[in-house]
Amino acid sequence: EADIYQTPRYLVIGTGKKITLECSQTMGHDKMYWYQQDPGMELHLIHYSYGVNSTEKGDLSSESTVSRIRTEHFPLTLESARPSHTSQYLCASSDPYGTGDYEQYFGPGTRLTVT
Amino acid sequence: AQSVTQLDSHVSVSEGTPVLLRCNYSSSYSPSLFWYVQHPNKGLQLLLKYTSAATLVKGINGFEAEFKKSETSFHLTKPSAHMSDAAEYFCVYTGRRALTFGSGTRLQVQP
Repeated sequence: EADIYQTPRYLVIGTGKKITLECSQTMGHDKMYWYQQDPGMELHLIHYSYGVNSTEKGDLSSESTVSRIRTEHFPLTLESARPSHTSQYLCASSDPYGTGDYEQYFGPGTRLTVT
Repeated sequence: AQSVTQLDSHVSVSEGTPVLLRCNYSSSYSPSLFWYVQHPNKGLQLLLKYTSAATLVKGINGFEAEFKKSETSFHLTKPSAHMSDAAEYFCVYTGRRALTFGSGTRLQVQP
């Protein structure tokens, strides 16, 4: 069982609100990721981090921002939520130096609805 | 550019019959390939992975996949479908920075 957690699991919020999606892992993994998944669609990488104080944008442009102040914590923030941000957000981590094959462990996801 | 293509967006089988979910890859080198499964309201779970050690890879829940370089394929199979196999399946490869997911195949299992 992977030790990666996301909160909240579901969030319904009004337009213009600031939100932070939490992601934590207890495996000591250096690499962490955020993916966005629209219903019935594939996952798209929006942010990743190779370690503390390292953050990079992914393949899909996103108005969200991330921070990595601690190894175990990788929160995602939307300063002003809009209906176009409605989606599922999946957090993942990996330990390429341990396994060498980039297997990723996924959290349960946060399903965000912006009204 | 490296990529994976899942050839079927939906597959429907009867319980007890074989499952075949098709995936082709495009890569200039031997990739690391994975199959992930996503059940409704649950997180993604790794089914199996290919990392060049063996071309026939066995995974959890009776699934297996065969890496065929000549066909650039990595199809997922199971001899006998179970109702609990109904889910979304993703063929995935290790991209430059992270995993790159195929578009997914939704497997329906009819009683």
